[in-house]
Amino acid sequence: DADVTQTPRNRITKTGKRIMLECSQTKGHDRMYWYRQDPGLGLRLIYYSFDVKDINKGEISDGYSVSRQAQAKFSLSLESAIPNQTALYFCATSDPLEGDYEQYFGPGTRLTVT
Amino acid sequence: RKEVEQDPGPFNVPEGATVAFNCTYSNSASQSFFWYRQDCRKEPKLLMSVYSSGNEDGRFTAQLNRASQYISLLIRDSKLSDSATYLCVVNMDNNNDMRFGAGTRLTVKP
Repeated sequence: DADVTQTPRNRITKTGKRIMLECSQTKGHDRMYWYRQDPGLGLRLIYYSFDVKDINKGEISDGYSVSRQAQAKFSLSLESAIPNQTALYFCATSDPLEGDYEQYFGPGTRLTVT
Repeated sequence: RKEVEQDPGPFNVPEGATVAFNCTYSNSASQSFFWYRQDCRKEPKLLMSVYSSGNEDGRFTAQLNRASQYISLLIRDSKLSDSATYLCVVNMDNNNDMRFGAGTRLTVKP
C-alpha cells in the first residue's frame, strides 16, 4: 500500500463549486504539504502543516484553505473553484529527523475547473 | 528573476550519452539542495541530495557551486529508463520552504 494517498485522483468541477481534496499518510510524519503543479511553473506550495495545531500559508494560498484533522490527514479545500485553479495537486510529507528534508509525495489529484 | 531556474529542455540524447543539467537559485542563504525525478503523470521522487563537496550515486553526479549559485546533475551512460523530468529543488531557509524549479525534460532514445 502507498504511504501517501490522495483522493480523488481526478475531478472535474464547475466554477463556483466547493471542492475538497484529501490526503492521508501512513509514514507517521508530522509535516504535511499541499502543492500545485502547472506546466512551465513547477510545483508551488499552497499550505503546510508542521503538526496538527500548526498550519502555515505557502507561496500561493489565496483561494484555498486547509484542515489538519489528525497527524495522518491533511485536506485542501477550494471554497469557490475558478478555472485558473485547474492543475495537478500533490500532497507531501516529511520528517525533519530524517535530516535531508526529503519529501514524500502522493500520486496527485488532477483537478479541472470548467 | 525566478527563485529556482532550470533549462526546460527537452534534452533528447541517445542511449549511452552523457548529459548535464544546470539549475540556478536566487537566495544566497539557501542551505539544502536536491534533485527530484518525475515520470510523466507521476509524483516527484527524490533522486539525490546535493552536498557542498559534490556527490555521486552510480551514474549520477551532483555538484553545488555556492559562489555562482548553481547546482548541476550529470548523468553518465544514459539508459532508456532515465527518460523523465528532473526537478531542481532548493530549501530556501533550511526549514521547509522548498522551492521547485519547473523541471528539465530528458528523453533517452535507442
